[in-house]
Amino acid sequence: GAGVSQSPSNKVTEKGKDVELRCDPISGHTALYWYRQSLGQGLEFLIYFQGNSAPDKSGLPSDRFSAERTGGSVSTLTIQRTQQEDSAVYLCASSLWGVGTEAFFGQGTRLTVV
Amino acid sequence: TQLLEQSPQFLSIQEGENLTVYCNSSSVFSSLQWYRQEPGEGPVLLVTVVTGGEVKKLKRLTFQFGDARKDSSLHITAAQPGDTGLYLCAVPKGNDMRFGAGTRLTVKP
Repeated sequence: GAGVSQSPSNKVTEKGKDVELRCDPISGHTALYWYRQSLGQGLEFLIYFQGNSAPDKSGLPSDRFSAERTGGSVSTLTIQRTQQEDSAVYLCASSLWGVGTEAFFGQGTRLTVV
Repeated sequence: TQLLEQSPQFLSIQEGENLTVYCNSSSVFSSLQWYRQEPGEGPVLLVTVVTGGEVKKLKRLTFQFGDARKDSSLHITAAQPGDTGLYLCAVPKGNDMRFGAGTRLTVKP
């Protein structure tokens, strides 16, 4: 597709379960970002990938959160032992070169932990 | 403390009114972006400003970057219901981008 694709669009999980969220960036974009947006709030930075460089993980809120980007393309955000406070919309974005270039966002994955 | 402070947090106006929203910081930035996010969607880029004092216009939207490149404003003339959304400013921080908390604008018909 032409845009950033995220799956699933909605995920309901039980507290304590692990979840995986997927992001397919725009082909050729070297930079990929994950953000979290709680209801009615702005975007909270989670992690940033740029090419083959080590990712910037400084925004991950706890060691239950991890992310990887395989082959410089698809990325997976994993949340282990989910908690109710993890409920939010998780947004992925990609950009051609990184900072200062336009970021294209997916529609997000709405995660609900019950 | 937040890197970017956006104000007001919420704004509800009638169609046809003018409005200005702000994005402020104590830091200097090489560039600043404004995004708009509609319900159920990801943010979409409106503009990038890079030069202190720069003014950019996009139809009824006027964006200004402060002379010292620490702040920015977005002015909307004759607001329409289609302008409703969350307006976010974003700046480069290190090698990635950071966003403000946004201004949630509602334009009533």
